[in-house]
Amino acid sequence: DAGITQSPRYKITETGRQVTLMCHQTWSHSYMFWYRQDLGHGLRLIYYSAAADITDKGEVSDGYVVSRSKTENFPLTLESATRSQTSVYFCASSESAAGGGQETQYFGPGTRLLVL
Amino acid sequence: AQSVTQLDSQVPVFEEAPVELRCNYSSSVSVYLFWYVQYPNQGLQLLLKYLSGSTLVKGINGFEAEFNKSQTSFHLRKPSVHISDTAEYFCAVKRYNFNKFYFGSGTKLNVKP
Repeated sequence: DAGITQSPRYKITETGRQVTLMCHQTWSHSYMFWYRQDLGHGLRLIYYSAAADITDKGEVSDGYVVSRSKTENFPLTLESATRSQTSVYFCASSESAAGGGQETQYFGPGTRLLVL
Repeated sequence: AQSVTQLDSQVPVFEEAPVELRCNYSSSVSVYLFWYVQYPNQGLQLLLKYLSGSTLVKGINGFEAEFNKSQTSFHLRKPSVHISDTAEYFCAVKRYNFNKFYFGSGTKLNVKP
């Protein structure tokens, strides 16, 4: 019963490098989300996906790219990392929106990213 | 657009004392309301949610919250806190038929012995 996992849990990189954060869920949930958590801002949505091959931007998507070729995986790529992308990144998943928005989101343990 | 305001960034409280964490939201449409808890170095876990019906919602670990539509509030309460309740608490809203959360900035609850 793995649930939702993220890798790596910790990452240090340098400005300008490409970084990919992985997210995997075992529930076959339709929806997956990426958030970043910064002091004073709570969680802000980066990207979300309603199903395989369907993705959409959140409120802070600049500098990030996502893909969803398989339902269970939702990798997040920082194309050219910047210091402002130092943050804690959380992946989440939920069932389809057929329940009218009542669905709970389940969160992974997070990835702490430091960009030097 | 939706927004969520958690008025207190930090709340210190002594063990066994009652606590209230405040959450106000603004939305032009009806919403669902959630409280999540984040323990140190962990992801978020659902505490409770309000979908419809009774405005008093009970969650895990003895927490409860009351939905007040006229004041657009969803405050979280616990009558007697434990050291183990030390964590950060997030209020969140979702619109009907729309699977996106809007989170508040969080309240750090620090329970002291």
